[in-house]
This record gives sequence, structure tokens and C-alpha cells, in this order.
Amino acid sequence: GENVEQHPSTLSVQEGDSAVIKCTYSDSASNYFPWYKQELGKRPQLIIDIRSNVGEKKDQRIAVTLNKTAKHFSLHITETQPEDSAVYFCAARDFGNEKLTFGTGTRLTIIP
Amino acid sequence: DGGITQSPKYLFRKEGQNVTLSCEQNLNHDAMYWYRQDPGQGLRLIYYSQIVNDFQKGDIAEGYSVSREKKESFPLTVTSAQKNPTAFYLCASSMNGERQPQHFGDGTRLSIL
Repeated sequence: GENVEQHPSTLSVQEGDSAVIKCTYSDSASNYFPWYKQELGKRPQLIIDIRSNVGEKKDQRIAVTLNKTAKHFSLHITETQPEDSAVYFCAARDFGNEKLTFGTGTRLTIIP
Repeated sequence: DGGITQSPKYLFRKEGQNVTLSCEQNLNHDAMYWYRQDPGQGLRLIYYSQIVNDFQKGDIAEGYSVSREKKESFPLTVTSAQKNPTAFYLCASSMNGERQPQHFGDGTRLSIL
């Protein structure tokens, strides 16, 4: 089955700086890669996703890049703000399968 | 994501007891999922259902059971066979079809008395 690895497990950045979280996946047939943000004790919320036919997608301060050859994808947050502090999860979905496989999460802390 | 309702928010289980977690959605989504979340770990899939009256085991199904009698509802029973049930349980739903996003409920925190 699919295996997703996520790094780093914790990340602290100064407010206003950029943050990058990286994930690798094992199944080359995977074709959908969402990112979720989870604040303490709350539900994960979808913040951005990318399909395998696209190399990059941006939404204001958030962007995701996908390298299918290397089987990795990354989340980029620019001009970080205190409200960006949360745990971020990446995930990958197999082709023809409804299942998502999640990474183990990155705890992002923005330092004021 | 207000269309996915999980109850109760907190639940306590005694030794040898089965407990049932509720998940209801009014988004007309075809597929529903149950995940378990432990500290420092990602979300692990327990069971999922793509259509009424059908469901499949996920990666950690042992000690759990589900039913899908209605499109809107996908209850999860944590049985006494699950020896380490303390966790945060999340229900999600999505439309069927590739690359459809999953949306989550607020979760149920289950603890052992």
C-alpha cells in the first residue's frame, strides 16, 4: 500500500518568514495530494490540494508543489502569521481508490 | 464543514463495554470514513464506506465495527476487543470519484474509565 513520509515533525519560524513542509510518497500511481491544517482539539481542515496533472498550485500565501518523478510534494507558506500555528498533515490518494494515506504531521509554531 | 456532525464530543468507556460513536452528514456525500488519531501520529483509517450497505476495512479495523444503513449515517462501535481505545476519533465524508476532497467532523475523544 501507499506510504507517506512527512518532514519535519516540528518547525518554528519567525513571524513573516516562510515555512516549508515536505512529503514523499511511495506509490507512483497516486494522483491526488491534499494538505490539512489542524488546530488544537479541532477538526482537520483542507487548505489546499493538488492533482497529479499539475506541478504547482497557489492560494494567496499558500502554495503546493508536486514532483511526480521524485514522488514528493511540498507545502509553502509565505509571510507567516501567528494564526498559521497548527499541525499540518499531507496525504496521498491511490489511483482508483477512495483511501487517503496521511503523513504523521508537522507542528508549525510561528514566533512573534 | 458544518454538515458533518459527530457525537458525543467526549465519551468514556468502562472495561468490557462496547460504545458507539455517531457520525451524521447532510452534504449528500456518497463516501464516509472513520479515522483514529493518536498523539504524534497521523490519521489512521479504521473503516470506510463508498455506498449504502457496503463498507471496507481500513488499516486498523480490529476491535471496531461499523454499519451503513443510511447514506447520511456511519456509526462506529468500539468493542471490548479494542484493548487500547483511548484516542481522538474523526469521521469524514466525500463525494465518490477520484480526487474528491474529504471533509471532517469535529471529532469524539474517547477515554477509558
